[in-house]
Amino acid sequence: NAGVMQNPRHLVRRRGQEARLRCSPMKGHSHVYWYRQLPEEGLKFMVYLQKENIIDESGMPKERFSAEFPKEGPSILRIQQVVRGDSAAYFCASSLNEAGKETQYFGPGTRLLVL
Amino acid sequence: DAKTTQPTSMDCAEGRAANLPCNHSTISGNEYVYWYRQIHSQGPQYIIHGLKNNETNEMASLIITEDRKSSTLILPHATLRDTAVYYCIVKYYNQGGKLIFGQGTELSVKP
Repeated sequence: NAGVMQNPRHLVRRRGQEARLRCSPMKGHSHVYWYRQLPEEGLKFMVYLQKENIIDESGMPKERFSAEFPKEGPSILRIQQVVRGDSAAYFCASSLNEAGKETQYFGPGTRLLVL
Repeated sequence: DAKTTQPTSMDCAEGRAANLPCNHSTISGNEYVYWYRQIHSQGPQYIIHGLKNNETNEMASLIITEDRKSSTLILPHATLRDTAVYYCIVKYYNQGGKLIFGQGTELSVKP
């Protein structure tokens, strides 16, 4: 049973470019979460999605950042016009949509470097 | 979600039990205690969680005090590969919801 998959594992962008990070949840999981870890800091929640719906985006910057989890395919975290401060590790987690089984399982992360 | 307090760092000798404490004095009756760890910037790894009873799985044991204001994660026979940052998180056990990570405890297992 494959775990949470994220790609790319490493992404280099120049300032002003767009970054697209993908997350494929564990099989059967319909909840996806995105977290960001800045260098030498802890993980911070960004956004929580269920299929085709954003449930909680309280941790996501209002500008340049967007997230989606379509009916088919992976969840996408999109960062437009990247700046150096966006350099970080972005982790995706998934969980079941089933009472009593809400444990979140994390992927390996995408390391974004903005030059 | 209740706030947690953990020591910044701890050392443990290889082969010994590692006991990682966590204070969560404002925990409410519907909040669970979760433990995750992060090994050298890898994705966080789920370890164990519990409500009020002690729990054990293949990785660790979780001891929760009767008043639920603190808990201890026990790694019974620590190995060098257990060196990581350990996070204690309190969360409502509802359908979904974010995890709030604190600074965690940096555990160093030494030979």
